Amino acid sequence: AQKITQTQPGMFVQEKEAVTLDCTYDTSDQSYGLFWYKQPSSGEMIFLIYQGSYDEQNATEGRYSLNFQKARKSANLVISASQLGDSAMYFCAMREGPEAGGSYIPTFGRGTSLIVHP
Amino acid sequence: GAGVSQSPRYKVAKRGQDVALRCDPISGHVSLFWYQQALGQGPEFLTYFQNEAQLDKSGLPSDRFFAERPEGSVSTLKIQRTQQEDSAVYLCASSFATGDSPLHFGNGTRLTVT
Repeated sequence: AQKITQTQPGMFVQEKEAVTLDCTYDTSDQSYGLFWYKQPSSGEMIFLIYQGSYDEQNATEGRYSLNFQKARKSANLVISASQLGDSAMYFCAMREGPEAGGSYIPTFGRGTSLIVHP
Repeated sequence: GAGVSQSPRYKVAKRGQDVALRCDPISGHVSLFWYQQALGQGPEFLTYFQNEAQLDKSGLPSDRFFAERPEGSVSTLKIQRTQQEDSAVYLCASSFATGDSPLHFGNGTRLTVT
């Protein structure tokens, strides 16, 4: 079974609008972490935001926020006020602890391609 | 250095050749990971080190793949007798040991096997 599911292969958004990128995850662990990364066409993976499973508040980092719904096992990334430079691939990832058979080795989804147009 | 450094940036190998990919992690980062990323896909786990110990190599696709980190710092991923299906971007990442630490990635090595 997929640990991380990103159902949107591609998304389009108008500059200055907000966009939500979906991510659902599968784990039996009580302690885990969720991450979002951005990968521009140049190829580097850039860390954006982190949400711990025990964090009660949704994580925010500048224009990025994570809509964490633990019961639904979803961790959607919200980008506010989109900019042209936000055009990139976005990957959701999860680190599970040893209780779930993980070793804190992050598992990545297949990614969502975001295109911001003027 | 400030970030994770990988070399070479690009590598073209003829089928059957051996290649060695280098990763220099962020100083002080205990954990080091290698991932393989095919075109249009997410990174797929290959192997994981904590200091010099290789704790997990379950993602290595065959015994032609070998990784080492002898002094707990620089790591090398070696692929013997390369095949066309080995063509991909190989990403190295490092982090602190704890589970809430993000991975910091290098720019990757794009391997093309002809």
